[in-house]
Amino acid sequence: DGGITQSPKYLFRKEGQNVTLSCEQNLNHDAMYWYRQDPGQGLRLIYYSQIVNDFQKGDIAEGYSVSREKKESFPLTVTSAQKNPTAFYLCASSDTMNTEAFFGQGTRLTVV
Amino acid sequence: QKEVEQDPGPLSVPEGAIVSLNCTYSNSAFQYFMWYRQYSRKGPELLMYTYSSGNKEDGRFTAQVDKSSKYISLFIRDSQPSDSATYLCAMSSPFGNEKLTFGTGTRLTIIP
Repeated sequence: DGGITQSPKYLFRKEGQNVTLSCEQNLNHDAMYWYRQDPGQGLRLIYYSQIVNDFQKGDIAEGYSVSREKKESFPLTVTSAQKNPTAFYLCASSDTMNTEAFFGQGTRLTVV
Repeated sequence: QKEVEQDPGPLSVPEGAIVSLNCTYSNSAFQYFMWYRQYSRKGPELLMYTYSSGNKEDGRFTAQVDKSSKYISLFIRDSQPSDSATYLCAMSSPFGNEKLTFGTGTRLTIIP
C-alpha cells in the first residue's frame, strides 16, 4: 500500500536533548512537508522540500532542522533550541507543491 | 487578515442532519480546493478535491466552490456519529510553486 509512515507514534524527550522524527513515503512524490499542530490550532509549516537535496524554511523553522538526502525520506530534528517542542508533528507529501497533500499519522512529542 | 478563514466551531448537530462547513479566502489565484477530515490524534485524510468552480459529490459529501464570492463549502448529508472530527479546508494556486494554504479547521460533533 502506498502511503506516508511516521515513526515513532509517541516520543518523549528530556529538556536539552535533540530528537529526530522519521518520515518515509512510497508515493513517489517530489514535495514533502513538516507541520506542527498544537491543541485547538491549525497546521503551522516548519520546513518543506520540493526536491531531493533542497529544502526551505516554513513559518516556524527556528529550533528545527531537516535533510532530504533521498526522495522517500524527510526526517525532522527537533533541537534543544526549540523553546516549546511539545506538540503533534505531521509529515505530508504531494506530487508537486500546489497539488493535494497526503499526511502521515503523526508523532506526538512530549518534553519531560 | 488571514488568506483563508474558517470558523473553528465547535459545531454540534443531531445525527441525520445536513452539515454545512465553510471557508472564505482572499487570494483570487486559488483554483485547487481540498477538504480534509482529521480524527483526534490522527493525521488529516483527504476527503474531497475540486478544481475551480462548481460542485463535486462523493457519497454523502458534496464540495462546492463559488469563486466569485471566494467561498467554499462542504456539505455532509445524513450525518453520522462517525463524522465527528475536525474538518480543514485547503487551497492553492496553480501558478509558480505555491504551497497549500490551510484553514484552521472546524470541530464537528454529531450527537446520536
